[in-house]
Amino acid sequence: GEDVEQSLFLSVREGDSSVINCTYTDSSSTYLYWYKQEPGAGLQLLTYIFSNMDMKQDQRLTVLLNKKDKHLSLRIADTQTGDSAIYFCAERRASGYSTLTFGKGTMLLVSP
Amino acid sequence: DAGVTQSPTHLIKTRGQHVTLRCSPISGHKSVSWYQQVLGQGPQFIFQYYEKEERGRGNFPDRFSARQFPNYSSELNVNALLLGDSALYLCASSLVAGASNEQFFGPGTRLTVL
Repeated sequence: GEDVEQSLFLSVREGDSSVINCTYTDSSSTYLYWYKQEPGAGLQLLTYIFSNMDMKQDQRLTVLLNKKDKHLSLRIADTQTGDSAIYFCAERRASGYSTLTFGKGTMLLVSP
Repeated sequence: DAGVTQSPTHLIKTRGQHVTLRCSPISGHKSVSWYQQVLGQGPQFIFQYYEKEERGRGNFPDRFSARQFPNYSSELNVNALLLGDSALYLCASSLVAGASNEQFFGPGTRLTVL
């Protein structure tokens, strides 16, 4: 299949770390992205990782990539209530035009 | 700098009608892509345009069409609307159409078909 898979829901307490997981399908994918969507809003690009990297850190965000297992994760350190949103994993494939294939999103709920 | 802008923000139509959605990319960006996001799902690719030419099309019926203007803004047209066309329509812009370019999304147009 051609689906990008994500768990649907994650609940954490404020101050904890959150880890959102994603499996993608195309081993030729060049870039893998994490987008955040707040209620009623468009998509905000959080971070991305190039396929020849294993890890990328950007402030509170850490992206880990396991190419062998086609597994991508997003870790949010010191999660805040403002991090509550839906997080989408997306892959960009090497062939053809540069469109994105998205997962269904993981709803992150951060409680005080 | 202004980000990607879309109009209108909300729209209500009835079945069988036609709709036109508009998008203005980030200044200097030449590529525009359209995505449909049905409630509870991730965005699905509809079209990509670059330099006024269609560069890619997703698995959508011919009722969906789009175009890009010389100023790189874009329109998405949907004819003979169905209830299932109710969704958030997202526009994304990028510098060019290549695989290494980030796409920046607008706030979307929420279309409700009654």
